[in-house]
Amino acid sequence: AQKVTQAQTEISVVEKEDVTLDCVYETRDTTYYLFWYKQPPSGELVFLIRRNSFDEQNEISGRYSWNFQKSTSSFNFTITASQVVDSAVYFCALSEVLRRDDKIIFGKGTRLHILP
Amino acid sequence: GAVVSQHPSWVICKSGTSVKIECRSLDFQATTMFWYRQFPKQSLMLMATSNEGSKATYEQGVEKDKFLINHASLTLSTLTVTSAHPEDSSFYICSARGVNSGNTIYFGEGSWLTVV
Repeated sequence: AQKVTQAQTEISVVEKEDVTLDCVYETRDTTYYLFWYKQPPSGELVFLIRRNSFDEQNEISGRYSWNFQKSTSSFNFTITASQVVDSAVYFCALSEVLRRDDKIIFGKGTRLHILP
Repeated sequence: GAVVSQHPSWVICKSGTSVKIECRSLDFQATTMFWYRQFPKQSLMLMATSNEGSKATYEQGVEKDKFLINHASLTLSTLTVTSAHPEDSSFYICSARGVNSGNTIYFGEGSWLTVV
């Protein structure tokens, strides 16, 4: 069975600090996808990244970076120089191979507060 | 890019009535649609997976007679909450994947349901 654990329920940091959101996953599949989504107060899910299990390269997109470590089954997300607009709930998610009937399973989310 | 639209964004209904939420893929054919439910400050829980033209597959614990899902066309899936009760009040969000969406799953904006 697949499972995503986000141990940090809530994090508060002061603006301009760096912050890392942890994500640990479990799966028996060798082929899978990992995702990060941002959910602002309005509710919609904003897609941030999708990474397949064969690509362990770290990725950087502006102030966002992701560290994928298969050895520890982790896919952590770092925001550098945080801004108030980064305040949101962030979800890590897993999909065991995007077959026709496959689905995305979400972690419980980490609520991030960026304080001015 | 691909867009998935949900309607209505907000709905208030009386206890005992039924309410329908629509999920449309606007510029791709959605062969598979997923329905999620999110209680306040909680994660997204998958309710069911629907493939166009066939019956939806419900997750364990989700009442299929209460949450009717129809995926009659490649661009539209509907979720009907029948005989709604206050405990059905929640945020419902759909996602869609299609052949031409590059296996990417796109989420709708979500629908807030309040049963009074």
